[in-house]
Amino acid sequence: DSGVTQTPKHLITATGQRVTLRCSPRSGDLSVYWYQQSLDQGLQFLIQYYNGEERAKGNILERFSAQQFPDLHSELNLSSLELGDSALYFCASNSGSPYNEQFFGPGTRLTVL
Amino acid sequence: DAKTTQPNSMESNEEEPVHLPCNHSTISGTDYIHWYRQLPSQGPEYVIHGLTSNVNNRMASLAIAEDRKSSTLILHRATLRDAAVYYCILNLEGSNYKLTFGKGTLLTVNP
Repeated sequence: DSGVTQTPKHLITATGQRVTLRCSPRSGDLSVYWYQQSLDQGLQFLIQYYNGEERAKGNILERFSAQQFPDLHSELNLSSLELGDSALYFCASNSGSPYNEQFFGPGTRLTVL
Repeated sequence: DAKTTQPNSMESNEEEPVHLPCNHSTISGTDYIHWYRQLPSQGPEYVIHGLTSNVNNRMASLAIAEDRKSSTLILHRATLRDAAVYYCILNLEGSNYKLTFGKGTLLTVNP
């Protein structure tokens, strides 16, 4: 158990819909990272937040957005969903240093029908 | 980003040592070498990281070549639980915080 929690575990929805994925970092960690894992693209970094502020952005689509709240939990919002958005979405946390290990949550499996 | 090259798959027998290679010929002087693994149906898990010197922890050892163009993750006694995809990742100093995962090496451990 990494100490990072993600909800829900599974999510099934239809094209065009909007969903919110939630992540609670390990106690004391200020930084949250979001990754997407699909069969064709592998594991890809989406975005990072540090203490409520966006710090780094990766291959995140404009239809996707994220935020980190004062209690440090984070939400990833996916809108206008397409079939290709079906993937595993992982959240990771650490202290914020790029040299410190990232602790990954169990992931949310999103299926878009 | 500097790239890493790993074999697609490797096989080992239980309780034998496993050496997982990684080539990173374009590594820069300030890149850290990180290893993560992903067990089936789980999120990635940190294994070890290093800069220049060899490193040991409870999970594994990391041997880094003198020119730093390659490294080897060593599992001293493989168990069935070590069957996973192992990722070798270069973490660039200060320039970004993301982990750039390649395809990794799928390790199969035979009983």
